[in-house]
Amino acid sequence: SQKIEQNSEALNIQEGKTATLTCNYTNYSPAYLQWYRQDPGRGPVFLLLIRENEKEKRKERLKVTFDTTLKQSLFHITASQPADSATYLCALDATQTGANNLFFGTGTRLTVIP
Amino acid sequence: DTAVSQTPKYLVTQMGNDKSIKCEQNLGHDTMYWYKQDSKKFLKIMFSYNNKELIINETVPNRFSPKSPDKAHLNLHINSLELGDSAVYFCASSLRGDRGGYTFGSGTRLTVV
Repeated sequence: SQKIEQNSEALNIQEGKTATLTCNYTNYSPAYLQWYRQDPGRGPVFLLLIRENEKEKRKERLKVTFDTTLKQSLFHITASQPADSATYLCALDATQTGANNLFFGTGTRLTVIP
Repeated sequence: DTAVSQTPKYLVTQMGNDKSIKCEQNLGHDTMYWYKQDSKKFLKIMFSYNNKELIINETVPNRFSPKSPDKAHLNLHINSLELGDSAVYFCASSLRGDRGGYTFGSGTRLTVV
């Protein structure tokens, strides 16, 4: 069966350090992968999209990598700040299965400690 | 000027009732979705709707039905509500394909008592 797993349910890091979140998937062949941020009581907010032929994507302090051989994406936040504390979700498209939908991972709750 | 708006934000209702949640987007997106987020915060696709093409997640009970009067609206109607339907429901919209991410509404917290 298809699975999307994010390495840990919760991650605590010290302010200023780099946070690295992992997304692993099985039995998918996504054409692209996305990362979202969700704050309590709010809907997810789109951060970055990376395509299967792209190895790395950057946006300000965010960096995403996509390894289709390992079936893994890494999401990095450099120089982390307490305001980065939130739940981060990875999502894969299922276009190749015929559905134009995103399937989400279970999320990692990041806490940046001042 | 809210991009994706859902109403109501909170909905408390008794078992067996029928209820609707409304969703509107003003982004000009061609595809709209409904997602359910359970108590463990797992987001699960329920429906996607694009140009009158409806794709239904096979695990969604047929008590749930999406209704789209036009491209900017996708409402969710639920019949015979059950306790297990309690969750947060999110509407979202996007352009088809990989032209960008989804834009989500702020969610509707449904509590069935």
